[in-house]
Amino acid sequence: DAGVIQSPRHEVTEMGQEVTLRCKPISGHNSLFWYRQTMMRGLELLIYFNNNVPIDDSGMPEDRFSAKMPNASFSTLKIQPSEPRDSAVYFCASSLAGVRGNTIYFGEGSWLTVV
Amino acid sequence: AQKVTQAQTEISVVEKEDVTLDCVYETRDTTYYLFWYKQPPSGELVFLIRRNSFDEQNEISGRYSWNFQKSTSSFNFTITASQVVDSAVYFCALSNMKTSYDKVIFGPGTSLSVIP
Repeated sequence: DAGVIQSPRHEVTEMGQEVTLRCKPISGHNSLFWYRQTMMRGLELLIYFNNNVPIDDSGMPEDRFSAKMPNASFSTLKIQPSEPRDSAVYFCASSLAGVRGNTIYFGEGSWLTVV
Repeated sequence: AQKVTQAQTEISVVEKEDVTLDCVYETRDTTYYLFWYKQPPSGELVFLIRRNSFDEQNEISGRYSWNFQKSTSSFNFTITASQVVDSAVYFCALSNMKTSYDKVIFGPGTSLSVIP
């Protein structure tokens, strides 16, 4: 079975540009998470969707960040405008919520560098 | 509040040595899940194990074993006869069982280097 698929794997962009990261969760999973990983802050949960609805976006750092999930098989995380401090690895993950203790499975990550 | 502590930031061992990665957690919940994930140099996060708070039995999977002790709030991970391929960052994590939204709290990770 295919795992969580993220694109692009690597992105280098200039400050001020818009960045869009994409994610396809595991088929059948109804929960989707976006995490950010940096050396300073480790793994941070940015936003959580359940059945395509954003449930908890308290981790989204500021208004420059937005996430959407238009259907069960696709989500985007957008940064506009991007800043150098946004440089990080962004992970998308999915799980089957409603099953207690459901395990979160991660994609390979999108490595973002903002120069 | 929930918190996961991995006091060992970096560990280096020589191949074939045994190594234990420590994980201490804090939670006010009586029911919860604990996880270990592996992040090899390639960067992906790989699920290793999930353990619920009702089950304190130790688990062994090949060279990997996990020791869960509620009395000390610890969920330690031992690699026996370590190999170079075990070099990675290992994350311990905790989630609440009471809600359908299993928000997972990750520890800071332990970077393991296995030297040939």
